[in-house]
Amino acid sequence: GENVEQHPSTLSVQEGDSAVIKCTYSDSASNYFPWYKQELGKRPQLIIDIRSNVGEKKDQRIAVTLNKTAKHFSLHITETQPEDSAVYFCAASLAGTASKLTFGTGTRLQVTL
Amino acid sequence: NAGVTQTPKFRILKIGQSMTLQCAQDMNHNYMYWYRQDPGMGLKLIYYSVGAGITDKGEVPNGYNVSRSTTEDFPLRLELAAPSQTSVYFCASSYTQQGEAFFGQGTRLTVV
Repeated sequence: GENVEQHPSTLSVQEGDSAVIKCTYSDSASNYFPWYKQELGKRPQLIIDIRSNVGEKKDQRIAVTLNKTAKHFSLHITETQPEDSAVYFCAASLAGTASKLTFGTGTRLQVTL
Repeated sequence: NAGVTQTPKFRILKIGQSMTLQCAQDMNHNYMYWYRQDPGMGLKLIYYSVGAGITDKGEVPNGYNVSRSTTEDFPLRLELAAPSQTSVYFCASSYTQQGEAFFGQGTRLTVV
C-alpha cells in the first residue's frame, strides 16, 4: 500500500518568516495530495490540495508544489503568523480507492513572535 | 448544517467492555470514514463506506466493526476493548471520492 513520509516533525519559525514542510509518497499511482491543519484539540481541516495534473497551486499565503517524478510534494507558508501554529498533515490517495487517504505523521509548526 | 457530529467526546472503558462511537453527517455525503489518531502520529484508516449498505476495511480494522444502514449514520463498534485501542477517533465524510474530507470533533477514548 501507499506510504507517506513527512519532514520535519517539528518546525519553529519567527513570525514573518516562511515555513516549508516536505512529504514523499511511495505509490506512483497516487494522484491526489491534500494538506490538513489541526489546531490543538481540534479536528483536522483541509487547507489546500493538489492533483497530479498540476505542478503548483497557491492560495494566498499557502502554496503546494508537486514533483511526480521524484514522488514528493511540499507545503509552503509565507509571512507566517501566530495563528499558523498547528500540526500540519500531508496525505496521498490513489484514484478509484474511495479517497482512502494515507496520512503523514504530521509536522508541528510553532510560529514565535 | 451541523456537518459531521460525533458522540461521545470522551469515554473511559474498562478492558473487555464494548461500546459504539456514533457518527452522523447532514451533508448527504456518500463517503464516510473512521480514523484513529495516536499521539504524535498521523491518522490511520479503520473502516470506510462508499454508501449505505457498503463498508470495507481500512489499514487497521482489527477489533472494530461498522455498519452503514443509512447515508447519514456510520457507527463504529468496539468489541472487547483493549489498552491498544486508547486513541482519538475521528469520523469524516466527503462528497466525492477524492474531495475534501470533513471531520467530526473527535472522540477521546481511554481503555484502562
